[in-house]
Amino acid sequence: EPEVTQTPSHQVTQMGQEVILRCVPISNHLYFYWYRQILGQKVEFLVSFYNNEISEKSEIFDDQFSVERPDGSNFTLKIRSTKLEDSAMYFCASSEDSGFNNSPLHFGNGTRLTVT
Amino acid sequence: TQLLEQSPQFLSIQEGENLTVYCNSSSVFSSLQWYRQEPGEGPVLLVTVVTGGEVKKLKRLTFQFGDARKDSSLHITAAQPGDTGLYLCAGSDQTGANNLFFGTGTRLTVIP
Repeated sequence: EPEVTQTPSHQVTQMGQEVILRCVPISNHLYFYWYRQILGQKVEFLVSFYNNEISEKSEIFDDQFSVERPDGSNFTLKIRSTKLEDSAMYFCASSEDSGFNNSPLHFGNGTRLTVT
Repeated sequence: TQLLEQSPQFLSIQEGENLTVYCNSSSVFSSLQWYRQEPGEGPVLLVTVVTGGEVKKLKRLTFQFGDARKDSSLHITAAQPGDTGLYLCAGSDQTGANNLFFGTGTRLTVIP
């Protein structure tokens, strides 16, 4: 069964550094997402992306964050200047269709980001 | 921000027992999904419920969406150790957007 793949599985970075988290969504999916889960807390929505633009973002997704689909397969999340509180598990997800059609999200296994 | 509260937060039961996990909100959702998450992995979709009052069965798991589409339950019959995991409910609001609001999670442990 096709799956969403994320790399790296674990990223350690120093505060203030830029990080790029990478995702390869399922190939025929059109909607892409990033969620994060701080240790011990619930999964939180960051951003959704469709047709090469952000369709929705949460208040967590501030100017330090950006997303890009640089080619036909990758979907990236960039954090410009990491803060300690950015330490979390970041999940990429994709769906074939939009929420209007209740299209299910398929999640990757996440990248654990540790900011020191 | 829509709030989904799950109860109980932790549940430890013996193999063969039945259990019910609840997901409650004061908000109306266009659909509600249940996921299971293993340590170090992403959430895996179990079911999506869309219609108020809808009941879906997945082997020993029964999912129900409340009539008012504000709450849902997951019932497991004759729990097995393989059912151990974190169960998450997540709802889509009425705009139909895919920014899911996740619940607080129920960590289930089934003791052999």
